[in-house]
Amino acid sequence: NAGVTQTPKFQVLKTGQSMTLQCAQDMNHNSMYWYRQDPGMGLRLIYYSASEGTTDKGEVPNGYNVSRLNKREFSLRLESAAPSQTSVYFCASWGASTDTQYFGPGTRLTVL
Amino acid sequence: GEDVEQSLFLSVREGDSSVINCTYTDSSSTYLYWYKQEPGAGLQLLTYIFSNMDMKQDQRLTVLLNKKDKHLSLRIADTQTGDSAIYFCAEFRGGKLIFGQGTELSVKP
Repeated sequence: NAGVTQTPKFQVLKTGQSMTLQCAQDMNHNSMYWYRQDPGMGLRLIYYSASEGTTDKGEVPNGYNVSRLNKREFSLRLESAAPSQTSVYFCASWGASTDTQYFGPGTRLTVL
Repeated sequence: GEDVEQSLFLSVREGDSSVINCTYTDSSSTYLYWYKQEPGAGLQLLTYIFSNMDMKQDQRLTVLLNKKDKHLSLRIADTQTGDSAIYFCAEFRGGKLIFGQGTELSVKP
């Protein structure tokens, strides 16, 4: 099992550009999450998907959209990147049978 | 308040015990978690405790839970330089994990 995978690992964008962060899990989990991590602020939830076909806003959804493409994949899109979106982005999935959340390795995004 | 609170920094000497503290918000939270993040890496689950437990021990790690005060702590015995990392506590609330800001543990030789 690869667990939770994310692509790309690093990305630099110019203000106004768009991009999609990809996330996939091979653990057959229903719930998937997108967080951003900024220094001194811990992890803040952007969006989550409790099951295939559903998505809900988290704490900081503005400027982002998500797609739960299927049970495995949950993507995060920045339509018009802003410097305030410079951050490290983590995808995670929830294993109900183990009651734990598993994280991907993160995507480091810089918006100039 | 709404937040899960942790102190931001802790510095200890190698071989000493480390105690990282956390206060959470929802007395009905069923699970409470500790995650470790090494530099440049994602979050790794260290341990978790059910809300009906007061203590859980796992090798060098001891988790204490005080439900009355909504206080969670993580004790690392015989702290090593490899334990240097950021430690996050989290509570399961409303179908989501809510994280604290993280405590950066620095272990000096």
